[in-house]
Amino acid sequence: DTGVSQDPRHKITKRGQNVTFRCDPISEHNRLYWYRQTLGQGPEFLTYFQNEAQLEKSRLLSDRFSAERPKGSFSTLEIQRTEQGDSAMYLCASSLGGRSGANVLTFGAGSRLTVL
Amino acid sequence: ILNVEQSPQSLHVQEGDSTNFTCSFPSSNFYALHWYRWETAKSPEALFVMTLNGDEKKKGRISATLNTKEGYSYLYIKGSQPEDSATYLCAFRDYNNNDMRFGAGTRLTVKP
Repeated sequence: DTGVSQDPRHKITKRGQNVTFRCDPISEHNRLYWYRQTLGQGPEFLTYFQNEAQLEKSRLLSDRFSAERPKGSFSTLEIQRTEQGDSAMYLCASSLGGRSGANVLTFGAGSRLTVL
Repeated sequence: ILNVEQSPQSLHVQEGDSTNFTCSFPSSNFYALHWYRWETAKSPEALFVMTLNGDEKKKGRISATLNTKEGYSYLYIKGSQPEDSATYLCAFRDYNNNDMRFGAGTRLTVKP
């Protein structure tokens, strides 16, 4: 297993276009997280899956954002009608499940989105 | 909404200096506190996971302490080296939620 993979690494799009990011977590990890990071800020929580179930979604996330994890393995994050304010690094992380607070997050390298 | 605060926002030190920075988090419903190091062009990597009040963790020249009653954790770096230059993130998880909430990070630059 090569860790958490994200694709594409970089995406430049025009305002109003739709974009989709993919995340492949570590295979034995049943938890998957999406974060957004902008310059000077820490990762901001977007949403979280346990297996295929989306258990939490940030209230900051507009309805233009949707995430899926259809078979409890890879996940996609789609942004519809992109706006310039969506420009950011989108980070995916995975971890083992259970109630242990010791389950660290393993991050992917991120997908950087630039909306022109 | 949970607030995780880190200070200072950035820090510049000379090689060999020791340094420390702070993570503050809500003291109620504490579950876990994580520290991550994020080097430029790389993914954040876990440094420490702390779950008990009074925990102290150490990895080489880096150590961390935890006070859950007052809601803070300190990260210490002894004898900073240029390769320690990175953003150090702390992340908090409370008992009622499954997500990890991150602070904005402390950006450390160690000058040779």
